[in-house]
Amino acid sequence: EVQLLESGGGLVQPGGSLRLSCAVSGFTFSACAMTWVRQAPGKGLEWVSSISDNSRGTYYADSVKGRFSISRDNSKNMLYLQMNSLRAEDTALYYCGKAPRGGAWSWFDPWGRGTLVTVSS
Amino acid sequence: EVVLTQSPGSLSLSPGERATLSCRASQSVSSNNLAWYQQKLGQAPRVFIYDASTRATGVPDRFSGSGSGTDFTLTISRLEPEDFAVYYCQQYGSPPLTFGGGTKVDIK
Repeated sequence: EVQLLESGGGLVQPGGSLRLSCAVSGFTFSACAMTWVRQAPGKGLEWVSSISDNSRGTYYADSVKGRFSISRDNSKNMLYLQMNSLRAEDTALYYCGKAPRGGAWSWFDPWGRGTLVTVSS
Repeated sequence: EVVLTQSPGSLSLSPGERATLSCRASQSVSSNNLAWYQQKLGQAPRVFIYDASTRATGVPDRFSGSGSGTDFTLTISRLEPEDFAVYYCQQYGSPPLTFGGGTKVDIK
């Protein structure tokens, strides 16, 4: 069974940093692109970042470019999102999702249950 | 950036009725690279349709996707109680990936 489990969320002050992790199992991680998508409370879905299977391609939404960094460790079946210079508008539930293949421009399924990031003083 | 506009924003229907959800793109979606997701309250989204018209594994055949270019439709032929949820479209034909604002289907 494919499983994705996010962690690392929490309460952080504006300007602070957090590192989200996504532990995966049940599929060949190194063969699949991955993504982070967020959902602000009561709002819709917003794509944040994606990474190709071999990490050669990393892509970001304009809203996070220069502040967030996506990475993966294929030997550990782990996906990461380093978030710096956090703003109130980054407050959201962050989901990781799996692509069906190695390319980052894709649909994604399944997703994890999400980890909540709250940016507030 | 391809902006996706979903309509209507909400839809109140009864079980057994037909639901027609629209997703309109601001420019042509390359290779009809469009997906539909279902999200229930408190749950992660789940893909139902990809490549505009391919049903994902395990999705009932009462769900169908159609369209091309800039106009796409998700149709639920006969609503079942478990179908009441929010549906999002997403395009992956051109960077950046973008989602529509969602259509909420609730029980009348």
